[in-house]
Amino acid sequence: DAGVIQSPRHEVTEMGQEVTLRCKLISGHNSLFWYRQTMMRGLELLIYFNNNVPIDDSGMPEDRFSAKMPNASFSTLKIQPSEPRDSAVYFCASQGDRGLNEKLFFGSGTQLSVL
Amino acid sequence: AQSVTQLDSQVPVFEEAPVELRCNYSSSVSVYLFWYVQYPNQGLQLLLKYLSGSTLVKGINGFEAEFNKSQTSFHLRKPSVHISDTAEYFCAVSEAGRRALTFGSGTRLQVQP
Repeated sequence: DAGVIQSPRHEVTEMGQEVTLRCKLISGHNSLFWYRQTMMRGLELLIYFNNNVPIDDSGMPEDRFSAKMPNASFSTLKIQPSEPRDSAVYFCASQGDRGLNEKLFFGSGTQLSVL
Repeated sequence: AQSVTQLDSQVPVFEEAPVELRCNYSSSVSVYLFWYVQYPNQGLQLLLKYLSGSTLVKGINGFEAEFNKSQTSFHLRKPSVHISDTAEYFCAVSEAGRRALTFGSGTRLQVQP
């Protein structure tokens, strides 16, 4: 398996533009997590899904952020409109279904820069 | 809600020296504890985890951690570090019955020759 695949690796955009980050889960995994990493705030959980259903979205900063799982193996995180303070590395991670504490497999992240 | 405190933002150490990275947590319920490592430009990888049983947990790459319930700590140790251990290390906690992890702010381990 190729692991968790995120795209793009780097995204540079201008303030006000829409940004879509993509994540492909490991085959057979059924939980998906979106994290944001910044120097100031470290790793923050934005949202997570289990079996395509959003379980906890309390970490989503505001209505400009939305996340979906259109199918069991794919997720998108959309920011519209983007702002400079959204600049960060966004990670997605997937988890199998053998137990609540099975390890997370992280993608390589998307480095987002909003100018 | 749980929280994780990593007391050291950076730890410089010479190669082959021992190292301890500190982690304290707070929670009102039972927790599970994890250490993840992040190499430059990569995602996080699991080093080890404590769920129950023996309080000394051994992980990959020669790392181990000890769960101390009375001190609410889960410090990570390695008796002899290598240059290749240079990375950022994150302590994380999840509450029993929940999938989501809360991460600490990370400790950058810098191994010098």
